[in-house]
Amino acid sequence: GQNIDQPTEMTATEGAIVQINCTYQTSGFNGLFWYQQHAGEAPTFLSYNVLDGLEEKGRFSSFLSRSKGYSYLLLKELQMKDSASYLCAVRVDGDSGAGSYQLTFGKGTKLSVIP
Amino acid sequence: ETGVTQTPRHLVMGMTNKKSLKCEQHLGHNAMYWYKQSAKKPLELMFVYNFKEQTENNSVPSRFSPECPNSSHLFLHLHTLQPEDSALYLCASSRRTQSYEQYFGPGTRLTVT
Repeated sequence: GQNIDQPTEMTATEGAIVQINCTYQTSGFNGLFWYQQHAGEAPTFLSYNVLDGLEEKGRFSSFLSRSKGYSYLLLKELQMKDSASYLCAVRVDGDSGAGSYQLTFGKGTKLSVIP
Repeated sequence: ETGVTQTPRHLVMGMTNKKSLKCEQHLGHNAMYWYKQSAKKPLELMFVYNFKEQTENNSVPSRFSPECPNSSHLFLHLHTLQPEDSALYLCASSRRTQSYEQYFGPGTRLTVT
């Protein structure tokens, strides 16, 4: 089975740094995604980690430790527009081969950025 | 705009109605997905299609019937739904060889009365 845990809600101040953690217990792990979802909108891709270590992309960074089943998303220089839900998702490749794969999502962390 | 469109954006239907949700992707992807997103729950994968062939069905009740006539279009046919089926239904697509990410459509907000 698949089990993904992340905090339900977090609050942080504009301009600050926030770290959103995600722990997982899955079979057939083949990478971890972070998505951002604003209320009433579709999830949008933020990052993908398949190897251990830190991936940096502008104000956002994502870290993965496969041995610990742990990832985090780091958001720097927070802006009000960063208020959204952040979804952690584990990838498992489909049995049909190239072209499709499954994502198992956590419940998401609702981040509120305050002035 | 992610290149994935869904219609309608909102749908209210009675339990005896039959309706269909439509998804179209303009990205040249070969895999398409249906997800269900309910309040306080994680996104749940419902169906996966790869090159028009259904490859995954995550124990979805038969009142949900998917159809994939080609790699660009995906439908979800609904009949005799229950109030607990009210949710946001999201479509996504991907092309593994060139991109790892799944691109999501804006979703259809379904209310079953």
